[in-house]
Amino acid sequence: AQSVTQLGSHVSVSEGALVLLRCNYSSSVPPYLFWYVQYPNQGLQLLLKYTTGATLVKGINGFEAEFKKSETSFHLTKPSAHMSDAAEYFCAVSTKSNFGNEKLTFGTGTRLTIIP
Amino acid sequence: NAGVTQTPKFRILKIGQSMTLQCTQDMNHNYMYWYRQDPGMGLKLIYYSVGAGITDKGEVPNGYNVSRSTTEDFPLRLELAAPSQTSVYFCASSSLRQGGPLNEKLFFGSGTQLSVL
Repeated sequence: AQSVTQLGSHVSVSEGALVLLRCNYSSSVPPYLFWYVQYPNQGLQLLLKYTTGATLVKGINGFEAEFKKSETSFHLTKPSAHMSDAAEYFCAVSTKSNFGNEKLTFGTGTRLTIIP
Repeated sequence: NAGVTQTPKFRILKIGQSMTLQCTQDMNHNYMYWYRQDPGMGLKLIYYSVGAGITDKGEVPNGYNVSRSTTEDFPLRLELAAPSQTSVYFCASSSLRQGGPLNEKLFFGSGTQLSVL
């Protein structure tokens, strides 16, 4: 079964510093991978996704992630952190349901804190 | 455009009480999902539906029931509330996109915070 592991439940970076949130996946088939962001008291929003094609994926708000098959990783990065990036981030992998549609399996989340 | 609407936003239940969490979407999406979110555990899928009249269990279905009589609505029922069901519940929906991966984007509601005491 497909799964994702997020390393680090809490990450703190200074404003303007590099953001790196780690995600490793386990999948017996080529995976579809996603990063979602959750701001306080809100539902999740899609940041970016990898399905096929280019392994470097660009998302909203300056985030990007690179699919590395050899490392089974899909780490999320942003060159320069902004205060508004403070949120919880979830990595997810798509799995097939009994009906053939895709379901998402989420990691445990990483809470990102930005230090002024 | 309302998207996915969940009600209520907050609820406190006593052990053994029952309640229904409401979810409705106005995007004509085929697929709808119920997740629960617990601290440090991420989101776990409770039930999902691929269309009216068709539902299936997710990872953590015990203690819950669902129905899907219309495309728009996907209510989640707790019959005998237990403290272990204290959580934040999220409803989500998605659609089939022509020529692309199925369900690559979920639209989430803003959540229902449930406490069972």
